[in-house]
Amino acid sequence: ETGVTQSPTHLIKTRGQQVTLRCSSQSGHNTVSWYQQALGQGPQFIFQYYREEENGRGNFPPRFSGLQFPNYSSELNVNALELDDSALYLCASSLANGALPTGYTFGSGTRLTVV
Amino acid sequence: RKEVEQDPGPFNVPEGATVAFNCTYSNSASQSFFWYRQDCRKEPKLLMSVYSSGNEDGRFTAQLNRASQYISLLIRDSKLSDSATYLCVVNPQTGANNLFFGTGTRLTVIP
Repeated sequence: ETGVTQSPTHLIKTRGQQVTLRCSSQSGHNTVSWYQQALGQGPQFIFQYYREEENGRGNFPPRFSGLQFPNYSSELNVNALELDDSALYLCASSLANGALPTGYTFGSGTRLTVV
Repeated sequence: RKEVEQDPGPFNVPEGATVAFNCTYSNSASQSFFWYRQDCRKEPKLLMSVYSSGNEDGRFTAQLNRASQYISLLIRDSKLSDSATYLCVVNPQTGANNLFFGTGTRLTVIP
């Protein structure tokens, strides 16, 4: 039990479609970060949300967007899906200005397949 | 240049063997360093932190060489349960909450 829950666990979409992935942060955590992990690669930072605003972004195009809600949960939205978007999407929650890494908890991820 | 580079592996070792993984990072201002373990189709989980003087936890020892921007992980007396992918991770700046991951090194411990 990690405390961070992600949904759905698996998803299959068609190229060009849009997808929304969801993440509930661990109790007491106010920051959510999203990562993309392609097969055989390490996780790549997409962006982070704190106080309902984007607080840092990796090298991902604008069709990757997100939201954070008052209860600190978060959504990752990807528009115009491409085949290369197929990956495991990981959400990690943490406490802003808290110590790393013990406060950085990953969810079990959403495996997205784009066909 | 990638922020974090790791030995690609895979490493296949017999039970009881000692195995070492290496990693280099590009940002000399990086402040904190970690090793994560990731089992197949699971999320990464923190194995251990690596701070300025290194860190030891049972059979696992992590070392940091700031001058060479080099991090290592040593596993002694390998167990079957150590089979996993080991990810080298760097926090690029103090106070930042995003982490840079290496591609990971796959370890298989053979009976």
